[in-house]
Amino acid sequence: DTAVSQTPKYLVTQMGNDKSIKCEQNLGHDTMYWYKQDSKKFLKIMFSYNNKELIINETVPNRFSPKSPDKAHLNLHINSLELGDSAVYFCASSQGQPSGANVLTFGAGSRLTVL
Amino acid sequence: AQSVTQLDSHVSVSEGTPVLLRCNYSSSYSPSLFWYVQHPNKGLQLLLKYTSAATLVKGINGFEAEFKKSETSFHLTKPSAHMSDAAEYFCVVSDHNGNQFYFGTGTSLTVIP
Repeated sequence: DTAVSQTPKYLVTQMGNDKSIKCEQNLGHDTMYWYKQDSKKFLKIMFSYNNKELIINETVPNRFSPKSPDKAHLNLHINSLELGDSAVYFCASSQGQPSGANVLTFGAGSRLTVL
Repeated sequence: AQSVTQLDSHVSVSEGTPVLLRCNYSSSYSPSLFWYVQHPNKGLQLLLKYTSAATLVKGINGFEAEFKKSETSFHLTKPSAHMSDAAEYFCVVSDHNGNQFYFGTGTSLTVIP
């Protein structure tokens, strides 16, 4: 199936640990994103990569580090996890061409719970 | 700068009655606008998009939205609500490069049997 897939779907961990969430898309898109959705359903952009180059880097603690080994993958590594990091993290991709017709395609989300 | 405002955080309708979810946008040029739906514990799915073609846009599951430049609005409607429409709905505008997307705060739709 063509899709954006992210793993793991659920992640429960202790404060202070380091964890990673992986994302892969097989849509041939050039741009990938990480969004954070809090308990009130607010969606906040964290990072965006276009062809492995960082193009959006919002105000996010530097404990969060994205890595894009190729344009089909964008992983999110989080160091020294804190309670406030508990959220659902969504990966998304878009064609990335300079056009208003770009559409975001989302993964199913990764629910991170920090205890 | 681009932004969207979803005027209602919660909307409740009875099954079989019309749905109206309101969205106003702000954009310094002709915008691209989208509605996404998120069912409980699921990812976001595109309902429909407006990209300067027809002002009345039809989407999936019987939803449609009308772009009104004079009112800077892009409201989402459906003639008859179904129980399966209960979800969170997000209005989104993109920048002129199509690389950055600005989300509204979401409207939670409840459908009463």
